[in-house]
Amino acid sequence: ETGVTQTPRHLVMGMTNKKSLKCEQHLGHNAMYWYKQSAKKPLELMFVYNFKEQTENNSVPSRFSPECPNSSHLFLHLHTLQPEDSALYLCASSRVLGSSGNTIYFGEGSWLTVV
Amino acid sequence: GIQVEQSPPDLILQEGANSTLRCNFSDSVNNLQWFHQNPWGQLINLFYIPSGTKQNGRLSATTVATERYSLLYISSSQTTDSGVYFCAVGSLAGGTSYGKLTFGQGTILTVHP
Repeated sequence: ETGVTQTPRHLVMGMTNKKSLKCEQHLGHNAMYWYKQSAKKPLELMFVYNFKEQTENNSVPSRFSPECPNSSHLFLHLHTLQPEDSALYLCASSRVLGSSGNTIYFGEGSWLTVV
Repeated sequence: GIQVEQSPPDLILQEGANSTLRCNFSDSVNNLQWFHQNPWGQLINLFYIPSGTKQNGRLSATTVATERYSLLYISSSQTTDSGVYFCAVGSLAGGTSYGKLTFGQGTILTVHP
C-alpha cells in the first residue's frame, strides 16, 4: 500500500469504446502524474499536474484526455484507442516544490487491453 | 533529454548470493530513485538517493553524482527479490523536476531457491 490507488486494475475495451482510469492519492501531495509502460519499453511520462493545473503533456495523442479535479484525484479518459495503446498505465504523486525528499509514489497500475 | 542506462539487463542468482546493479546517467540530476516492480506491476520505492549512501535491511544504494552513476546492492538475495529493478532520474535542466522522471530499461532479476 503506497497511498496511491488506481481503478480499475484491469480493463479490456474495444476501439470504439470510451472508458476512464481513476487515480486517488491519500498522501497530501500536490503533484500527480500519468506514466505509460509498454512491453519492451521504459516507462514514459504522459502528463503532469501541479495543484490541479496541467504542466506537462509529453506529446500524448488526443485520444488520451486527462482530468484533475483536485490535488487528490486524477483521471485518464480513453476514447477511440488503438491496439498499440495496450499497456500498463501507472499513476503517481509527489510533493511539489524542492528536490529534497521529492519522492514519487506509484499506484498499482491499470492493465489496459484494447481489442 | 537525459539518458539512463542500467546494467546488467538480466541477472540470475542463487538464493543467498549478493549482487550489484548499476545505473549510469548522462546529465546532472536532482532526483534519483530506485524502484522494484513486482510481478503484478506495482513499482515499490526502494530509495530516494540523488547523492550519498543509504541502507535499508539487505538493500543499500550509493550515488556518485559527480561521476553520474548509482549502484544498488542486494545482499543475501531471496526469491522474493525477483522482479525488475528500475533506476529513474530527474534532470536539473529546466528547473524543478517534480516527478518528471526518466526511467532506465531496468534489470530483470531472477533469484532461484
